[in-house]
Amino acid sequence: SQQGEEDPQALSIQEGENATMNCSYKTSINNLQWYRQNSGRGLVHLILIRSNEREKHSGRLRVTLDTSKKSSSLLITASRAADTASYFCATDGTLRGAQKLVFGQGTRLTINP
Amino acid sequence: GAVVSQHPSRVICKSGTSVKIECRSLDFQATTMFWYRQFPKQSLMLMATSNEGSKATYEQGVEKDKFLINHASLTLSTLTVTSAHPEDSSFYICSARGGGPGNTIYFGEGSWLTVV
Repeated sequence: SQQGEEDPQALSIQEGENATMNCSYKTSINNLQWYRQNSGRGLVHLILIRSNEREKHSGRLRVTLDTSKKSSSLLITASRAADTASYFCATDGTLRGAQKLVFGQGTRLTINP
Repeated sequence: GAVVSQHPSRVICKSGTSVKIECRSLDFQATTMFWYRQFPKQSLMLMATSNEGSKATYEQGVEKDKFLINHASLTLSTLTVTSAHPEDSSFYICSARGGGPGNTIYFGEGSWLTVV
């Protein structure tokens, strides 16, 4: 990818279980964002974590950021069938002298009822 | 909240023709707009960054003569795919960075381009 990797590339779990997705990036960042995308649709912004933050919560979402390892994780607790979607991390930072928002490869999450 | 409008949402064009996609920030002035391309089941690839009144900055491997980007005003950027080929068929998404707190980035709904 342009910026980094996400793993797993695909994740299938049962409804009610927790889902964890990881993201690694390559350069320094101002913030890292997580987005959700349903098939063939636009992006939905989930959560933003700044470079000086280590953890952030929003409802059933928990995001962590480790700038020393250049990695982040997204945890969705008590998953629901409606959480089925692709999830992308995106880093907002300076890349080759310009400020850009660059996406990871994404994780396709399937919640089985 | 802030809205970015993208038009058309779907377009079909004949091979060899050009097609224009518009990206508008509806209630804020966008200092910077970004254009992405997304192939099925893949991630968003940044194509170019455009700043109002200046030339767009293209990512490595993106043909600037094929993907013309114009950012003529603080609320409008356009992407023109010239001499389109079937391999240009893709989902194109724009985003706009406002000047508010945190310089939040807002995304359009995307445009499906099919070249036949």
